[in-house]
Amino acid sequence: NAGVTQTPKFRVLKTGQSMTLLCAQDMNHEYMYWYRQDPGMGLRLIHYSVGEGTTAKGEVPDGYNVSRLKKQNFLLGLESAAPSQTSVYFCASRQSQETQYFGPGTRLLVL
Amino acid sequence: RKEVEQDPGPFNVPEGATVAFNCTYSNSASQSFFWYRQDCRKEPKLLMSVYSSGNEDGRFTAQLNRASQYISLLIRDSKLSDSATYLCVVRKATTDSWGKLQFGAGTQVVVTP
Repeated sequence: NAGVTQTPKFRVLKTGQSMTLLCAQDMNHEYMYWYRQDPGMGLRLIHYSVGEGTTAKGEVPDGYNVSRLKKQNFLLGLESAAPSQTSVYFCASRQSQETQYFGPGTRLLVL
Repeated sequence: RKEVEQDPGPFNVPEGATVAFNCTYSNSASQSFFWYRQDCRKEPKLLMSVYSSGNEDGRFTAQLNRASQYISLLIRDSKLSDSATYLCVVRKATTDSWGKLQFGAGTQVVVTP
């Protein structure tokens, strides 16, 4: 099992550009999450999904959209990137009451 | 006020020594508690859950104090490989089936030879 994978690992964007971050898991987990991690702050939940075809807003959803068309994939989109979205993005998945498993992260720099 | 607060450290610990640090949480309805470990530029990984009566996992001991709303982590016989950032994580209620977690910013531990 690859676990949770994220694509890309690193990306530089200019302000106003768009991009999609891909999270994939091969553990057949129902729940998936997108977080961002900034210096001096804990991980903050952006959006999450409790199953294929469902999404919900987390703590900091503004400027992001998500889709869960397939159970194994959870996409995070930035329609118009801003410097404030410079961060490290982590995807996580879990099943029922089990622990969350994290992907390796995507480092995004918005200039 | 942050929901989960931690001393950022760093805690510089000689190899073989013991180190302990706490985390406080603001929501008294919190039900589940965890310590995650995060290595530099890596993803967080579950270190251990924290149970009401306290629990050990090898050299690691976790305690929960509901009255004062804090949890603690103690590392005995520190190894160089214990150098990492330790994240305090809280889930508000067992009825929160969505599993949403609140993360502290982390406590950095540096074990020196």
